[in-house]
Amino acid sequence: DAGVTQSPTHLIKTRGQQVTLRCSPKSGHDTVSWYQQALGQGPQFIFQYYEEEERQRGNFPDRFSGHQFPNYSSELNVNALLLGDSALYLCASSYRRTGDRQPQHFGDGTRLSIL
Amino acid sequence: DAKTTQPNSMESNEEEPVHLPCNHSTISGTDYIHWYRQLPSQGPEYVIHGLTSNVNNRMASLAIAEDRKSSTLILHRATLRDAAVYYCILRVYNTDKLIFGTGTRLQVFP
Repeated sequence: DAGVTQSPTHLIKTRGQQVTLRCSPKSGHDTVSWYQQALGQGPQFIFQYYEEEERQRGNFPDRFSGHQFPNYSSELNVNALLLGDSALYLCASSYRRTGDRQPQHFGDGTRLSIL
Repeated sequence: DAKTTQPNSMESNEEEPVHLPCNHSTISGTDYIHWYRQLPSQGPEYVIHGLTSNVNNRMASLAIAEDRKSSTLILHRATLRDAAVYYCILRVYNTDKLIFGTGTRLQVFP
C-alpha cells in the first residue's frame, strides 16, 4: 500500500520563475493538504483540496495556487518565485469525514531551492 | 488559531521512558490534541491524538490534564529511532488545518 508520494524530490529554480509540485495521496484518501516548511521551522499550512476545490487556505499570497484532479492527486503551483520561497513543500492526505478527522499522512516533501 | 508551547529540546537515554510536555492554555472545548513527529529528512508522522481522555496506541500514550490546558506525550521505552522533532498540535473541530509550532527536538543516547 503506497503512502503519499511527491515529485520531484528536489528542484532548483531562479527568482521570477514558476514551479509545479505534484502529490499522489495515500490509497483510499480523498483530501490533500499542502504545507511549507522553512529550515528549522515547523510546517505552515498553505491550503487544502477536497472534491477538486480549495476548502481552506492559510496565510499565503495568491502566487500560491493549487489543483486537485478526479483521481484525488494534486498540484501546487507557485508563480513569480522569491528567494523566500526556498523551503521543503509537504503534501498530506487524509480521508474526510465529519467530527474527529482522520490523521494526516505526509509525504517526504519536495525540496525547492531558489537561486 | 489556538497555540501550543513546548520545550525546544529534551534528552533521554535509550530504553528509558520519555515525557514530552505541551501547554495549550487557550484550547477550546472542541479542539483535538494531536502529536506528530518528524524524523530527519522525512515528512511528519502521526503519533497519537485525543480530546479529553488519556489515549494509548502502539507508539505512545497521551495524558491529557483534566482542564485540558496541558498534555504529555509518553514514550514508554525510548529507542534511537525515536530521535525526532515532536510537534504538539491543536486541531480545530471539523477542520483539517494543522497549526505546527517549532516542536521539541528529542535526542536519545545509547
